[in-house]
Amino acid sequence: DTGVSQNPRHKITKRGQNVTFRCDPISEHNRLYWYRQTLGQGPEFLTYFQNEAQLEKSRLLSDRFSAERPKGSFSTLEIQRTEQGDSAMYLCASSPEGSGRLIGELFFGEGSRLTVL
Amino acid sequence: ELKVEQNPLFLSMQEGKNYTIYCNYSTTSDRLYWYRQDPGKSLESLFVLLSNGAVKQEGRLMASLDTKARLSTLHITAAVHDLSATYFCAVARAHHGGSQGNLIFGKGTKLSVKP
Repeated sequence: DTGVSQNPRHKITKRGQNVTFRCDPISEHNRLYWYRQTLGQGPEFLTYFQNEAQLEKSRLLSDRFSAERPKGSFSTLEIQRTEQGDSAMYLCASSPEGSGRLIGELFFGEGSRLTVL
Repeated sequence: ELKVEQNPLFLSMQEGKNYTIYCNYSTTSDRLYWYRQDPGKSLESLFVLLSNGAVKQEGRLMASLDTKARLSTLHITAAVHDLSATYFCAVARAHHGGSQGNLIFGKGTKLSVKP
């Protein structure tokens, strides 16, 4: 399978605990994105990496959130001191650098669902 | 601030009927996307629309873009049950650095096609 892979697919945690999600993008894609999707809403942009550099961060990404992409391949999204409001689906997407039809077109993983009790 | 509004948010159709989903956005953008999402699944890219008057078709779905009106439509022809899903439009933030993937999504249109 050469699509975007995310794990774990589902995480249940207690409020105050830390959680980490991992994303493996499509191998030739150098751009990687994290989005958050809550029930009944469209995805919301969180952050963007080009290779290992984190180039954009949404104001939704509070200081409890940190994302890394240390070698420009896989990425992790960590949430510290989780709150019930963090319960959501966390989606990772990747895209190639290029032009034409593929410009900005995102390929999404199946997401990691977080439930904070 | 860029906002994206879709309507309707819920759509129940009979098989064989035609219908249109509308996507309005509030400020200039040079790219508009349509995605499909099945329950519990990832988002699947359907169309990328890059210019005014762009029209793309795939099977029973046709998408168009009017950048002057800041409106895109997704037209469904002779609906079948397999089209049941949630459809999102998304607009790229104009001139937003180099990411090109910082998208604003609408809330989605949940389509249910009944026999």
